[in-house]
Amino acid sequence: NAGVTQTPKFQVLKTGQSMTLQCAQDMNHEYMSWYRQDPGMGLRLIHYSVGAGITDQGEVPNGYNVSRSTTEDFPLRLLSAAPSQTSVYFCASSPVTGFGGYTFGSGTRLTVV
Amino acid sequence: DAKTTQPPSMDCAEGRAANLPCNHSTISGNEYVYWYRQIHSQGPQYIIHGLKNNETNEMASLIITEDRKSSTLILPHATLRDTAVYYCIVFNAGNNRKLIWGLGTSLAVNP
Repeated sequence: NAGVTQTPKFQVLKTGQSMTLQCAQDMNHEYMSWYRQDPGMGLRLIHYSVGAGITDQGEVPNGYNVSRSTTEDFPLRLLSAAPSQTSVYFCASSPVTGFGGYTFGSGTRLTVV
Repeated sequence: DAKTTQPPSMDCAEGRAANLPCNHSTISGNEYVYWYRQIHSQGPQYIIHGLKNNETNEMASLIITEDRKSSTLILPHATLRDTAVYYCIVFNAGNNRKLIWGLGTSLAVNP
């Protein structure tokens, strides 16, 4: 069981570039989500999905897009990178029912210059 | 969403019990208390959760007061590898399973 796998682990982008952060899980979890973590702040929810074909916005969705075509994958797209999007990004998954904890990936460190 | 209050930092000697407090005075009857930890910028790791009864697993114990307004996470024999930021979160499964994260408690386990 790999759990939640995020790629890449590190990325440097220039302002205005676009890219996709990948997230895949092999636990058949319906719920998946993306967070960003900045120094001095708690994790903030960007987007989440309760199943294939269903996505919704979190607290800080601007500048990001998501899609959920399969149960396993939940990619996060940066449309036009800005320095304010420099952050550590975490993907998490859980069953959509019940009270099991979230499983997090190891994170992607993104720097936008 | 119920908010939590935790001390920003704590110290503990290796081998001793670490008791991490959390205040959640506005918690609702159907909301659970969850604890996660984050070791040196790795992804957060689920530790334990509870509703109103005390809970124990292989990692820790969770003590919830009878009025449910506060709880304590207990690491019975802290090791250096337990040095991490510990987050107490009130979770409402009906709120689209959203977790509201605070800043947590930075626990330093000292040799």
